Amino acid sequence: TQLLEQSPQFLSIQEGENLTVYCNSSSVFSSLQWYRQEPGEGPVLLVTVVTGGEVKKLKRLTFQFGDARKDSSLHITAAQPGDTGLYLCAGAFENSGNTPLVFGKGTRLSVIA
Amino acid sequence: ETGVTQTPRHLVMGMTNKKSLKCEQHLGHNAMYWYKQSAKKPLELMFVYSLEERVENNSVPSRFSPECPNSSHLFLHLHTLQPEDSALYLCASSRDRGSYEQYFGPGTRLTVT
Repeated sequence: TQLLEQSPQFLSIQEGENLTVYCNSSSVFSSLQWYRQEPGEGPVLLVTVVTGGEVKKLKRLTFQFGDARKDSSLHITAAQPGDTGLYLCAGAFENSGNTPLVFGKGTRLSVIA
Repeated sequence: ETGVTQTPRHLVMGMTNKKSLKCEQHLGHNAMYWYKQSAKKPLELMFVYSLEERVENNSVPSRFSPECPNSSHLFLHLHTLQPEDSALYLCASSRDRGSYEQYFGPGTRLTVT
């Protein structure tokens, strides 16, 4: 079974602080997505990374894909209360054919004003 | 209407009831998915439809019965559910089965009493 571990599981910070959350696996991803899910809603796609070492930015969010394509990180600069939510990573494992995405359990972020 | 919509948003049903969840996507996608999201667990893929054909069934109990009458609509028929089936049921779509960027609906919060 290919697993996708996310850490930390919970994170509570003050507005204006920076934070990083992680997504790791022992297997290689062909692509990896990050989603944010707010309470009472479905996950919303934030970014897709496919190339080892790739860095993508979305306003205050910076996504990095590991060189070996086994891990990824999401860094948020100057967090705001609107960043509160469940951050999910989901991976398509290399050589898995049409096997659907595997999701992590998520990091639940709370940004306090 | 844009994106992926789901109805109802909330549902309470007894164990002997029969109900249906509805999902509609307005993105022109060819693949649709049902997921179950329970507390402290990763998203669990239940069913995958590609071009209206069921291509994956992840060992889901027969009390859950999917139906895909066309590429825009997906239903999940429920009967004789158990309390442990209480969860958020999410529908998603993607351009095709090989595309890993999924777009989710807001979910149906199901409570089985």
